[in-house]
Amino acid sequence: GAGVSQSPSNKVTEKGKDVELRCDPISGHTALYWYRQSLGQGLEFLIYFQGNSAPDKSGLPSDRFSAERTGGSVSTLTIQRTQQEDSAVYLCASSFMIEGGTDTQYFGPGTRLTVL
Amino acid sequence: QKEVEQNSGPLSVPEGAIASLNCTYSDRGSQSFFWYRQYSGKSPELIMFIYSNGDKEDGRFTAQLNKASQYVSLLIRDSQPSDSATYLCAVNLPSGNTPLVFGKGTRLSVIA
Repeated sequence: GAGVSQSPSNKVTEKGKDVELRCDPISGHTALYWYRQSLGQGLEFLIYFQGNSAPDKSGLPSDRFSAERTGGSVSTLTIQRTQQEDSAVYLCASSFMIEGGTDTQYFGPGTRLTVL
Repeated sequence: QKEVEQNSGPLSVPEGAIASLNCTYSDRGSQSFFWYRQYSGKSPELIMFIYSNGDKEDGRFTAQLNKASQYVSLLIRDSQPSDSATYLCAVNLPSGNTPLVFGKGTRLSVIA
């Protein structure tokens, strides 16, 4: 079946511009996650959604970052007034998380963001 | 604070040898444990998960879990150059809906 998809695969933007990154999770998956990975670094957790609500926004690095999820499916991560330090690969994952259950996450291919 | 620790490596092993990757975690209540493989420039892919103490085998991969000592390991038998990648350990807490906590990964290099 179809996996997690992300678009665009690559995005080059100028400092100060806004960008939107999209994630389409595996059909039926209730939970959706956003991570950031800088070159040679580990995964940095940003935010996750259970359904359309975001119980944990603690990883968002600044108020320039926001995310939403509608219809329990597609999610958009928005970065306003991009800075060069925002350059990274942004990864989305989804899982079928149930209360007290196992959270096996499946990752999308990522969006490589370059801020000039 | 929830922590998952891994040696960053690189861990170098000769082709055909057994590669042993280790991970420790801080939350004693953790119940589900995952290993992901990430090739350079690619996204993480799930290798296997383990819930119970002991060993779980899947092909050339064996996950080992010791909850008393709070560590989980991944053994790769007959290592191949194609196994060269970063291996991420992840841990799931049982309470409520909390996402996985990932370690920073161990870079494995299998030398032909």
